[in-house]
Amino acid sequence: DQQVKQNSPSLSVQEGRISILNCDYTNSMFDYFLWYRKYPAEGPTFLISISSIKDKNEDGRFTVFLNKSAKHLSLHIVPSQPGDSAVYFCAAYDYNNNDMRFGAGTRLTVKP
Amino acid sequence: DVKVTQSSRYLVKRTGEKVFLECVQDMDHENMFWYRQDPGLGLRLIYFSYDVKMKEKGDIPEGYSVSREKKERFSLILESASTNQTSMYLCASSLGQGIKKLFFGSGTQLSVL
Repeated sequence: DQQVKQNSPSLSVQEGRISILNCDYTNSMFDYFLWYRKYPAEGPTFLISISSIKDKNEDGRFTVFLNKSAKHLSLHIVPSQPGDSAVYFCAAYDYNNNDMRFGAGTRLTVKP
Repeated sequence: DVKVTQSSRYLVKRTGEKVFLECVQDMDHENMFWYRQDPGLGLRLIYFSYDVKMKEKGDIPEGYSVSREKKERFSLILESASTNQTSMYLCASSLGQGIKKLFFGSGTQLSVL
């Protein structure tokens, strides 16, 4: 039972354009959301997060949007760079139950 | 920066062998976790620990056990390795109450033949 879904296993984008990675969740108890980035031969590293009381959080080229009513969040990367090529994992956290769930990941390829 | 170190990058074992995966973190984090990563399934939690000598089952604990004798070290044990335990194993740690931001090790790719 996957409570966090990343329906696109892969995404290819041209350098300089916007990358949009999507994530859907089913559990309304989730109240904190995170994105992790994983390069080959490395562990995932924290990228950006958002609390459920917000609908947007921005950090440089990375912006996360949260639509609670649709149970959907997205990560926007603008402009995309070849160094952004990696697997991106969406994660959702339920503070009351101390439960963190990960999506299956989306492999982003940014072409020069 | 937090450093989470996993003892082996690649490991090949035979069915039935006892396997130890070691993880050490250097930032005095209370919480430590073991995940496995499989294609199409994301990261699934095997076991976690909030303190020395404490352990809690995650979503897929069957066939695994853990040990946390020191705060900085969290070991994952496969009592009798099976082929369906071939996977990427990721150790992580975090600070304080709640999981939230995790710091991951580089992972151990385990192949059970």
